[in-house]
Amino acid sequence: QVQLVQSGAEVKKPGASVKVSCKASGYTFTGHYLHWVRQAPGQGLEWMGYIQPNSGGTNFAQKFQGRVTMTRDTSTSTVYMELSRLRSDDTAVYYCARGGLVVVTNIQAPWFDPWGQGALVTVSS
Amino acid sequence: QSALTQPPSVSGSPGQSVSISCTGTSSDVGRYNRVSWYQQPPGTAPKLMIYDVTNRPSGVPIRFSGSKSGNTASLTISGLQAEDEADYYCSSYTASDTVVFGGGTSLTVL
Repeated sequence: QVQLVQSGAEVKKPGASVKVSCKASGYTFTGHYLHWVRQAPGQGLEWMGYIQPNSGGTNFAQKFQGRVTMTRDTSTSTVYMELSRLRSDDTAVYYCARGGLVVVTNIQAPWFDPWGQGALVTVSS
Repeated sequence: QSALTQPPSVSGSPGQSVSISCTGTSSDVGRYNRVSWYQQPPGTAPKLMIYDVTNRPSGVPIRFSGSKSGNTASLTISGLQAEDEADYYCSSYTASDTVVFGGGTSLTVL
C-alpha cells in the first residue's frame, strides 16, 4: 500500500535549521509530486510547497521562499524539507503528502493523498 | 494568499445532514475545479475526502459529497454518524500555482 513515513520529532533553538525526511513506498516515486504542509498547535493547515521527484524542481509558498529547501534522493525514494532561520512560530507538525495525479492525462493534481504521520518540530530557547 | 473562509464550527445530530462552506475568490475557488476536502480527527493526519470539487476517493462513504457555486465550495455530510466528528479543511489550487487551505471547521455530532 502507498505509505509515507517521516522522521521523528525535533527540538531546535531559534536561528537553527531543521531537516525532516519523508520516505515513500508502494508506488512509483517519480510519478507524483510530494508536498509539505504544516500545522501549528491548535491551528489550521498551511501549504509550504512541493518537489517534483523526477526532476528535483520545486515550488514554494511565497511566505517560505528563501528559508525552505526541498530535495530528494531517488535511490531511497525519500524527500527532505529543510527550514532555516527557525523562529518560535515555526513550532508545528510538518506533514509530507503525495500529490494527486490525473491518470488519463498524467497531469499532476493539487490534492493530497496519503499523508505522512507528521513530525513535530519545536523551536524553543 | 489569504486563507479560504470556513465557519469555525458546525454541529448536527446523528442521522441529520450538515454542510460546511468554503469561500475563496475568483483567483482560486471560483477559477478552478480543484477544490479538495480533508477530515482530521484529533491527533491524526488529515485524510482526503473529496477532490476536484465532487469526486470521492475509493473507500470514502457516499454520505460525503461536494459542490461548488461561484467562489464558494461546500461539503455535505448526510446521515451524520458519531465517527464523523472531526476537523474539516478545504483547499484550492490558485492562479499563483500554489495551494491555499481554509481555516478549518470543527464538526460536533450531538
